[in-house]
Amino acid sequence: GAVVSQHPSRVICKSGTSVKIECRSLDFQATTMFWYRQFPKQSLMLMATSNEGSKATYEQGVEKDKFLINHASLTLSTLTVTSAHPEDSSFYICSATAASGGARPQETQYFGPGTRLLVL
Amino acid sequence: QQQVKQSPQSLIVQKGGISIINCAYENTAFDYFPWYQQFPGKGPALLIAIRPDVSEKKEGRFTISFNKSAKQFSLHIMDSQPGDSATYFCAARRSSGGSNYKLTFGKGTLLTVNP
Repeated sequence: GAVVSQHPSRVICKSGTSVKIECRSLDFQATTMFWYRQFPKQSLMLMATSNEGSKATYEQGVEKDKFLINHASLTLSTLTVTSAHPEDSSFYICSATAASGGARPQETQYFGPGTRLLVL
Repeated sequence: QQQVKQSPQSLIVQKGGISIINCAYENTAFDYFPWYQQFPGKGPALLIAIRPDVSEKKEGRFTISFNKSAKQFSLHIMDSQPGDSATYFCAARRSSGGSNYKLTFGKGTLLTVNP
C-alpha cells in the first residue's frame, strides 16, 4: 500500500523552542497533504491543508504563525511548531492524497504513523 | 456543529462475535465514506470505503452498509478477533467544490474484543 512516513516519531523539547516535523510520501506523489493533531482518546482534528507550491489553508482557530507549514515538493511537507509550550503537547499526524493520473486513487488519504510531541 | 455522528463511543465484543459501529451524517454533498482503524500510538489506516451509489461493500470480515435516504452508514466486523481491538473512525468527504478531499471524522469507537 501507499506509505507515508513521519520524522521524528517522538520528540521532547523545552518550552519556547521550535520543533520541525517532516511528512513524506514514499512511493507516490502527493499534491495535497493534511496535518492533524489528536489528543488522547479523541478524534483527529484537522489543522491545515497543504498543497504543493502554495500556502497552506488553516482551519478556524489554528494559529498560522505558530504552526508553520511548508509543502516544498510533491513528496515532502513540514510542520514547524514555533515557540512550543506545554499545551502544544499532542500527537501530530499527517496524511497525503495522491496526485491525479498516478497509480493511487486520488481520493484516498494515506496517513503517516504520527509524531508524539512533549513540551516540558 | 458535528457533521458526522458516530456511536457507540465504546464497544465490547466476545471473540467470534459481530461488532457493529454506526455513523450518521448531515451534509448531503458527502460522496465518499471511509472507515479508519487506529491502534494506540499509531496513525489511522484505511480499512474500507464506500460511495453512495452502492448499499453495501464487503472486504473480508469487514462490511460497510450504506443507507442514503437515512444518511447513515455502518461498519460490521464479522468473527471479531482480539487483534481487531482498536479505535475505529468513520469519516465523510465531498469530492467537489474545492474541498481538497478534506475528511470530516466521527469521534471514534473504542472496540475491545475479549478472547
